[in-house]
Amino acid sequence: EAGVAQSPRYKIIEKRQSVAFWCNPISGHATLYWYQQILGQGPKLLIQFQNNGVVDDSQLPKDRFSAERLKGVDSTLKIQPAKLEDSAVYLCASSYAGPNEQFFGPGTRLTVL
Amino acid sequence: AQSVTQLDSQVPVFEEAPVELRCNYSSSVSVYLFWYVQYPNQGLQLLLKYLSGSTLVKGINGFEAEFNKSQTSFHLRKPSVHISDTAEYFCASTGANNLFFGTGTRLTVIP
Repeated sequence: EAGVAQSPRYKIIEKRQSVAFWCNPISGHATLYWYQQILGQGPKLLIQFQNNGVVDDSQLPKDRFSAERLKGVDSTLKIQPAKLEDSAVYLCASSYAGPNEQFFGPGTRLTVL
Repeated sequence: AQSVTQLDSQVPVFEEAPVELRCNYSSSVSVYLFWYVQYPNQGLQLLLKYLSGSTLVKGINGFEAEFNKSQTSFHLRKPSVHISDTAEYFCASTGANNLFFGTGTRLTVIP
């Protein structure tokens, strides 16, 4: 069974630029999560999708971050414009049902200069 | 509100020695608890989870954890560590829809 795929694995941009991350969840998993993991901290949920609908985006900085899952399968997370404090690893996870069995992708490490 | 506290940010231990990584939780409702491991430049992998039933939970790679309701703890243990156990370990609990992670404990196994 293929795992959660993410790309790119690494990205370096300058502040005020835009960036997008892609995630392909495990086949059949209806729930998809995006987490932000700042160095030295645990992952923090940014947004949760159930199929193509948003369940929770309360921690998403909506002035600069956006995410979509148009066909209920893969998802993109965008930052525009990026700030220095956005430097982090962005993790995507998926689950078949509920939060108790989440499978994580390898993450995208973003560095904002 | 759900939260977890990992009391140690770093734990060095010699190879083949036992280790305990501490985690305390705070919740006013039923709680589900997890331990995840993160190897360098990789995503998180589930080690074990407590949902209900036996308070002693066995996971992968020889790890186990004990749910202690009176002490609100869910400490992770391994009787004999290997070099390959060097990684970051995260305790987590679930709220209504998602996971809340602790700040992590870096386990370093010394040869």
